[in-house]
Amino acid sequence: ELKVEQNPLFLSMQEGKNYTIYCNYSTTSDRLYWYRQDPGKSLESLFVLLSNGAVKQEGRLMASLDTKARLSTLHITAAVHDLSATYFCAVDGIGTSYGKLTFGQGTILTVHP
Amino acid sequence: DVKVTQSSRYLVKRTGEKVFLECVQDMDHENMFWYRQDPGLGLRLIYFSYDVKMKEKGDIPEGYSVSREKKERFSLILESASTNQTSMYLCASGGGNNYGYTFGSGTRLTVV
Repeated sequence: ELKVEQNPLFLSMQEGKNYTIYCNYSTTSDRLYWYRQDPGKSLESLFVLLSNGAVKQEGRLMASLDTKARLSTLHITAAVHDLSATYFCAVDGIGTSYGKLTFGQGTILTVHP
Repeated sequence: DVKVTQSSRYLVKRTGEKVFLECVQDMDHENMFWYRQDPGLGLRLIYFSYDVKMKEKGDIPEGYSVSREKKERFSLILESASTNQTSMYLCASGGGNNYGYTFGSGTRLTVV
């Protein structure tokens, strides 16, 4: 059974600081997704990582995937208040389980002035 | 942009009612999914479908059924709603070689 663990689960940051959220998963997969969720809202797609070594950047966020280590990171550079949200990683199944996403618990990010 | 539209943002239903949650996508995706999200339990897959008239059980299918008569529409059915089905329901579509999954805006269902 695929398990996905994020850490930290709670992250309180000061504006302007850098930090990394980690996403570990337990079985082979080469497809991983990052989502953002604001309170009471649905999930917004941030990054689609489809191969080992994939790195994608959008604004102050950068995501990477190491399929050998079964690890993805979401790096936040010079945080701003607008980044406050819950961030989820989700790992895709393989073979007959393709399309079945397993989500991490989510990281609640709060950025303070 | 892919659009996944869920017909209701908020619903309040009575215990024992039959409830239909509708989801429509406009990008010709073959794969569609229903999840529920609960505090402390995260997102859990209820059912998914790879094609018209096809359905597969997810991790928590009990008490639910689905219908996919047309490619763009995937319906979640609560045969007899119960209070433990009070939740946020999220529909998603997508998958494939070059893109991920897009979620609808969610339906917050309360069963009283």
